[in-house]
Amino acid sequence: DTEVTQTPKHLVMGMTNKKSLKCEQHMGHRAMYWYKQKAKKPPELMFVYSYEKLSINESVPSRFSPECPNSSLLNLHLHALQPEDSALYLCASSQASGSGIDTQYFGPGTRLTVL
Amino acid sequence: SQKIEQNSEALNIQEGKTATLTCNYTNYSPAYLQWYRQDPGRGPVFLLLIRENEKEKRKERLKVTFDTTLKQSLFHITASQPADSATYLCALVSGNQFYFGTGTSLTVIP
Repeated sequence: DTEVTQTPKHLVMGMTNKKSLKCEQHMGHRAMYWYKQKAKKPPELMFVYSYEKLSINESVPSRFSPECPNSSLLNLHLHALQPEDSALYLCASSQASGSGIDTQYFGPGTRLTVL
Repeated sequence: SQKIEQNSEALNIQEGKTATLTCNYTNYSPAYLQWYRQDPGRGPVFLLLIRENEKEKRKERLKVTFDTTLKQSLFHITASQPADSATYLCALVSGNQFYFGTGTSLTVIP
């Protein structure tokens, strides 16, 4: 199984809502990532989990809260978002084997709209 | 801070021609560089990786070169097809952080 799955595909939420994005992989990868991508822009790194520990938080506002319940799952909890947070949210995973060579496998993304 | 720039935001070429995309970087000495393809509304898909000690890498109609002196990688698609139309991203890796270039949107015109 070489797939990263993300749910939901689309999400519309109000600024006072609480919602969660989910990501799953069964490739035995030990690093998982959240990216935010606006139209016609490259993916921007938000968080990195390595061996289920948060290793990188790229100064993301606290209204985004990541969680890695186990090595296959990655969640992104959303609360009190702003309209400018509307974007495609991508999850990715990589082997993180320590060999120095790593490639990322991306999920299809969740298209988030904040009203 | 690292800066990764790709040539022109958009590139249009005629079917059958060779598309050449450029990735330039500064303030960085990567051990390897990667190229990804992204279709609209989808996640990027890994295409090719080239190490710093490799000058050239090929995979079917794709070719990547890497010049660490110029701090530049070139990505070629030969005999281009309309199905090659997509956004192409280069990526540099530092530790477990991936830095993506600005992307080039390629359109192959039938």
